[in-house]
Amino acid sequence: GQQVMQIPQYQHVQEGEDFTTYCNSSTTLSNIQWYKQRPGGHPVFLIQLVKSGEVKKQKRLTFQFGEAKKNSSLHITATQTTDVGTYFCAGPRWYGGSQGNLIFGKGTKLSVKP
Amino acid sequence: EAQVTQNPRYLITVTGKKLTVTCSQNMNHEYMSWYRQDPGLGLRQIYYSMNVEVTDKGDVPEGYKVSRKEKRNFPLILESPSPNQTSLYFCASRAYGTEYSNQPQHFGDGTRLSIL
Repeated sequence: GQQVMQIPQYQHVQEGEDFTTYCNSSTTLSNIQWYKQRPGGHPVFLIQLVKSGEVKKQKRLTFQFGEAKKNSSLHITATQTTDVGTYFCAGPRWYGGSQGNLIFGKGTKLSVKP
Repeated sequence: EAQVTQNPRYLITVTGKKLTVTCSQNMNHEYMSWYRQDPGLGLRQIYYSMNVEVTDKGDVPEGYKVSRKEKRNFPLILESPSPNQTSLYFCASRAYGTEYSNQPQHFGDGTRLSIL
């Protein structure tokens, strides 16, 4: 069945280092969303990418959607301790399925050493 | 304030004792869903509802029931809980999107269930 895979599962960085998590889908996605879950918290929506090759920035976070719309990445420049948490990508279960379910990747857990 | 409210936040109970986790949203969202989160397994969908009286199974529905009698409420029912249902549970809701663009999903604060 359709799968959304994320790597790495864990990433430990020194504060100030960069961080990237990658998301790959087994099928073409109409869009992809990214969520962040702080320790002890709930997932919070960060952004959605819709267009092939789209790049969006939120301060130190850069999100990319692949040309084939099957992969995506989140890059954080100069990590801070406030970036700690688990980052999830999620895509709809079928292309054009805006009313359908989201499939979540297993997430990348980021820890930042001060 | 727009929110998804789950209750209880924490519950320790025993095998076989029926329990209900309530979920309510105040955003008039059509779509609601339940997930369980376990270490290393990410968020797995239990059940979802596209609208009132419309529910369907997710990836891990065994041992759970849901109902959607009102738009705002989507309770999760464990008729006979077992230890393998010990987990962190999240309720979520969102509005319908356009054909190719989803709406953001809003999550509740979570319910940590321990079944002994």
